[in-house]
Amino acid sequence: QKEVEQDPGPLSVPEGAIVSLNCTYSNSAFQYFMWYRQYSRKGPELLMYTYSSGNKEDGRFTAQVDKSSKYISLFIRDSQPSDSATYLCAMSEGQGGSEKLVFGKGMKLTVNP
Amino acid sequence: NAGVTQTPKFRILKIGQSMTLQCTQDMNHNYMYWYRQDPGMGLKLIYYSVGAGITDKGEVPNGYNVSRSTTEDFPLRLELAAPSQTSVYFCASSRNTYEQYFGPGTRLTVT
Repeated sequence: QKEVEQDPGPLSVPEGAIVSLNCTYSNSAFQYFMWYRQYSRKGPELLMYTYSSGNKEDGRFTAQVDKSSKYISLFIRDSQPSDSATYLCAMSEGQGGSEKLVFGKGMKLTVNP
Repeated sequence: NAGVTQTPKFRILKIGQSMTLQCTQDMNHNYMYWYRQDPGMGLKLIYYSVGAGITDKGEVPNGYNVSRSTTEDFPLRLELAAPSQTSVYFCASSRNTYEQYFGPGTRLTVT
């Protein structure tokens, strides 16, 4: 089993739809859970991160972590064409653990006007 | 702040040539990373550094070398370029192990 698994998609939705992006993982030492957005031919940018289990909201974006199921999600409400990008989940053991992030392979999202 | 800058943006190399990809950050971050990204394969860690003078191998270090003489700079050296090194290279920095900030990337083609 890979350390982090992410459905590669692609996913195509109409404007205004609610989008759900998911990742599963196997390493129970992960403490920080990140979502990165990468526009075509650009570097990834950090959207948001969550520490341990729970929800975190930032505008139209909500990150959810369920450590008991080793499952994380990113929800995008009222999706816009500008949300069209590849979304990568990433996980870290945090301070005291590995200094490396483990990334999912990314899910390409297209929001159609 | 410029954040993380990378040069060059594009480069075409012939097989067997060498080059250095430059990466500079102005955020005083201790952690710096080099990744390569191939289509459909996600980001693969080449080398990383937890501070000046300290470097360590990532998942795919073969054919690459790094140095970290200052906090700001983390160059990646390709010796004897091979077609398998055709990729997009990203440098990233962070103040901790999880909030990584990426540069714009270098697109390298080896022919």
